[in-house]
Amino acid sequence: KAGVTQTPRYLIKTRGQQVTLSCSPISGHRSVSWYQQTPGQGLQFLFEYFSETQRNKGNFPGRFSGRQFSNSRSEMNVSTLELGDSALYLCASSLEADYNEQFFGPGTRLTVL
Amino acid sequence: QKEVEQNSGPLSVPEGAIASLNCTYSDRGSQSFFWYRQYSGKSPELIMFIYSNGDKEDGRFTAQLNKASQYVSLLIRDSQPSDSATYLCAVKWYKLSFGAGTTVTVRA
Repeated sequence: KAGVTQTPRYLIKTRGQQVTLSCSPISGHRSVSWYQQTPGQGLQFLFEYFSETQRNKGNFPGRFSGRQFSNSRSEMNVSTLELGDSALYLCASSLEADYNEQFFGPGTRLTVL
Repeated sequence: QKEVEQNSGPLSVPEGAIASLNCTYSDRGSQSFFWYRQYSGKSPELIMFIYSNGDKEDGRFTAQLNKASQYVSLLIRDSQPSDSATYLCAVKWYKLSFGAGTTVTVRA
């Protein structure tokens, strides 16, 4: 069974631009969570989607948004990029919401210049 | 106060020894507790989770939970060089909160 896939793997943007990252969960998994990982702040929860609905949201500004499609694939969008948005963005999928086992994708490395 | 705190490390242990990792959390409403391993340049992978007080063993790994003390630990027995990685403690209430991680190096 294929794992979680994320595209693109690497991205370079400039301040003020916007970016869309994509995540395809493991087949059959219906819950997708997004995380930001930086050396200074570590792994931080962004949001969780289940059945196309955002269930929970972390403490990030409104510039960070996401959505989930009927096939469970998810996208996250960051608008008006700032230098501090440079990070590894990780997507994790699980069978159901509140399911204990989350499987992480390889991540998208975003660099904002 | 950070939601999840881990012993800062780095932790260096000889091959075959026991590595002991500690984690405390602040939210008494937390219900599930996780240990992830992250190799350099890779994404985190789940080692084990625990949600009841006491010990839970899985191969060379043992997780211990004490909700009264808000404390979770991970023991790695018979440490191998392949165990060299950063270990992340995570605590779940409505969201998954991660500690900063402890980097473990197993010396051959």
